[in-house]
Amino acid sequence: RKEVEQDPGPFNVPEGATVAFNCTYSNSASQSFFWYRQDCRKEPKLLMSVYSSGNEDGRFTAQLNRASQYISLLIRDSKLSDSATYLCVVLSASGGSYIPTFGRGTSLIVHP
Amino acid sequence: NAGVTQTPKFQVLKTGQSMTLQCAQDMNHEYMSWYRQDPGMGLRLIHYSVGAGITDQGEVPNGYNVSRSTTEDFPLRLLSAAPSQTSVYFCASSRFGVGDNEQFFGPGTRLTVL
Repeated sequence: RKEVEQDPGPFNVPEGATVAFNCTYSNSASQSFFWYRQDCRKEPKLLMSVYSSGNEDGRFTAQLNRASQYISLLIRDSKLSDSATYLCVVLSASGGSYIPTFGRGTSLIVHP
Repeated sequence: NAGVTQTPKFQVLKTGQSMTLQCAQDMNHEYMSWYRQDPGMGLRLIHYSVGAGITDQGEVPNGYNVSRSTTEDFPLRLLSAAPSQTSVYFCASSRFGVGDNEQFFGPGTRLTVL
């Protein structure tokens, strides 16, 4: 079983819709959590970190549920430009370092 | 600042050939990493470095070597290319830890092994 799991989608939504993605992780001792965005054939870029208390950045809200071991990303008022793949990243201890594990990504398509 | 740069952008190799993928960053980051991305697999960590002279293996290190002689450069060597190494390779750097806080990625190298 992969350590970090995401529904690959695609999620196909109209402009203005609200859409939510979940990401589950298996290592209960995981330390930090992030959402990255990756456009087609481009490099990933940090979208937002995920804090225990939840955090919001404009139309984007990220939440962490340690008891159930998942993180979520909510996008409100979807724009065409939100079309991308959203990667969940979980940081866990490995030897003397904290190592990131990426999920496979969730594809979002926003249509007019 | 150029950020993280990678060369080449595209490469075709024959089975058994060797080559080096170059990665450089100008942000004075201590932490650098190499990932491969295959369709449906997400990014997988190959090797990482926590500073000049210090490297360690990630999830899929077999068939690859790295070295870190300077803070800026982190080359990835394919010793004897195999078709299974056909992939997109991303180099990344970060300030506070391997993958901690924000990672900055290069534009990637698309490698095909025939």
